[in-house]
Amino acid sequence: AQKVTQAQTEISVVEKEDVTLDCVYETRDTTYYLFWYKQPPSGELVFLIRRNSFDEQNEISGRYSWNFQKSTSSFNFTITASQVVDSAVYFCALSERGYSSASKIIFGSGTRLSIRP
Amino acid sequence: GAGVSQSPSNKVTEKGKDVELRCDPISGHTALYWYRQSLGQGLEFLIYFQGNSAPDKSGLPSDRFSAERTGGSVSTLTIQRTQQEDSAVYLCASSFPIREVWQETQYFGPGTRLLVL
Repeated sequence: AQKVTQAQTEISVVEKEDVTLDCVYETRDTTYYLFWYKQPPSGELVFLIRRNSFDEQNEISGRYSWNFQKSTSSFNFTITASQVVDSAVYFCALSERGYSSASKIIFGSGTRLSIRP
Repeated sequence: GAGVSQSPSNKVTEKGKDVELRCDPISGHTALYWYRQSLGQGLEFLIYFQGNSAPDKSGLPSDRFSAERTGGSVSTLTIQRTQQEDSAVYLCASSFPIREVWQETQYFGPGTRLLVL
């Protein structure tokens, strides 16, 4: 069965520090997608990145970077030089082929990130 | 519209009453999803639509929950005889499946906060 684990429930750092959010997943499928979403206090989930299981290249987007390692089933997310606006709950998610080609994203329980000024 | 919209944004109801929650997906998005997020929890999948049909209703928690979608656009999630444990944020998402649905990114609305007294 598929599963996504975000072991860090809450993280608090001082502004400008780097912070890494961990995500470990379980799947029996060889083809799957991984996602990160941000949920700011306003509540709306904001899509950050999608990565398919065949692409293990790390990705950098501004202060955000993602480290995908199939060998350890991890898809970690790092924010460099954190800012107060980064404060949010971050969700890691897994999508794999289901019956009838239905799509059901399995979300982790989320990591609440607080950036202190 | 530019994004997924949901109404109402907040709903307070009395136990035993029926409620209807509405989702208007991004224009042209054929796939639509409903999720539930209880306080401080991750996202729980409820139901998924491809066009007007629902291939996956596996997440509906009880027969008090139902959903429909007409015209391949707006969807309504109905909860009958609401219970206090139904209190949660109900999130809607949509995607445009260019390939198979499970490969696509879902874009979320702001949610409806339901409180059952």
